[in-house]
Amino acid sequence: GAGVSQSPSNKVTEKGKDVELRCDPISGHTALYWYRQSLGQGLEFLIYFQGNSAPDKSGLPSDRFSAERTGGSVSTLTIQRTQQEDSAVYLCASSPDTGGDTEAFFGQGTRLTVV
Amino acid sequence: GDSVTQMEGPVTLSEEAFLTINCTYTATGYPSLFWYVQYPGEGLQLLLKATKADDKGSNKGFEATYRKETTSFHLEKGSVQVSDSAVYFCALIPSGGYQKVTFGIGTKLQVIP
Repeated sequence: GAGVSQSPSNKVTEKGKDVELRCDPISGHTALYWYRQSLGQGLEFLIYFQGNSAPDKSGLPSDRFSAERTGGSVSTLTIQRTQQEDSAVYLCASSPDTGGDTEAFFGQGTRLTVV
Repeated sequence: GDSVTQMEGPVTLSEEAFLTINCTYTATGYPSLFWYVQYPGEGLQLLLKATKADDKGSNKGFEATYRKETTSFHLEKGSVQVSDSAVYFCALIPSGGYQKVTFGIGTKLQVIP
């Protein structure tokens, strides 16, 4: 596609339920990133993929959070037993390689609300 | 670890006013520095970047100069427009590593006619 696509754009879920957030990166981009944007906070790094492997999962807040990437393309971020503090906008980005000079392209995000 | 500190908003300016949004960073080595912009209802977009000391990034009338001596990357625009109303994020990517972007908290700019 032309850009990074995320779905759903909005998700309201009940506390304790599991949710899956999807990211379709730009075709051919090998690097994929998940960030979280909470109200009044900056963007918090969650996890990075190079191909299908995740060399850096250091930003995942707890073991309720997991992510996978298949075929070097689509990635899914799963949050189990959601809590109200998980409410945020979850952003996905992709870039063609891991060079520090390379631009990361962001999707529009998934707004998650846990009630 | 790496960090980015930017002035908190919101910043409210009249059209054609001069804009400065301060940004300082902490990082080892020589990171690449970025300003991203998020317009209402849209995703993050790269506004400008600088990859080495004394480089000046510029785009859409915005400028920022990579100052190693003061570890700063302040965003400036000489004459803002209503269409510049958005949230601006200062960010860095560490040198020699993959592109793990560290963001500042974001500064909301509102330009009034």
